Amino acid sequence: GNSVTQMEGPVTLSEEAFLTINCTYTATGYPSLFWYVQYPGEGLQLLLKATKADDKGSNKGFEATYRKETTSFHLEKGSVQVSDSAVYFCALVDSGGYQKVTFGTGTKLQVIP
Amino acid sequence: DGGITQSPKYLFRKEGQNVTLSCEQNLNHDAMYWYRQDPGQGLRLIYYSQIVNDFQKGDIAEGYSVSREKKESFPLTVTSAQKNPTAFYLCASSSRDTDNEQFFGPGTRLTVL
Repeated sequence: GNSVTQMEGPVTLSEEAFLTINCTYTATGYPSLFWYVQYPGEGLQLLLKATKADDKGSNKGFEATYRKETTSFHLEKGSVQVSDSAVYFCALVDSGGYQKVTFGTGTKLQVIP
Repeated sequence: DGGITQSPKYLFRKEGQNVTLSCEQNLNHDAMYWYRQDPGQGLRLIYYSQIVNDFQKGDIAEGYSVSREKKESFPLTVTSAQKNPTAFYLCASSSRDTDNEQFFGPGTRLTVL
């Protein structure tokens, strides 16, 4: 079956530091890949997505590149802010069949001033 | 504005009572989902529905029931058979037209006393 593996958190960074959150996946076919963000007490919001190999998703300074050869979709940001503190989820949807989503376990990011 | 709504935001019930959580979307999405999230944990799929009048069990369906009589609505009933119902419940919807990106509601926090 499909699976998504994220690096364990929590991750604590100082403001303006470089962020990487690793995500690797196992899937049949050619999945679409997503990063979602969840702020405390809220639902998840889409941060970025990529639907085919070598695509780069980007939004609000965050980027992730769909790497089929390494089955990875690592999230990066060059300079984090306190407001980026949240939980980040990597996810995939398989290209075939029904629209069931496989989520990673989430990585909590805390940015300190 | 199109979106997905859940009500209420907070819900308190006595042990042994059934309770129904509301989820409505006006995005014209075919697929809808219910997830459970426990503190510091990832998302676990309870039920999902790809079309009206059809739904499938997810990974933790025991003690829950759903209906999908209208495209816009996917209510979740937490029954007295659910052994540990206190959790944060998230509803989502998706469409193949938007790469199966999940749109989430704000969540309902259920506390069983």
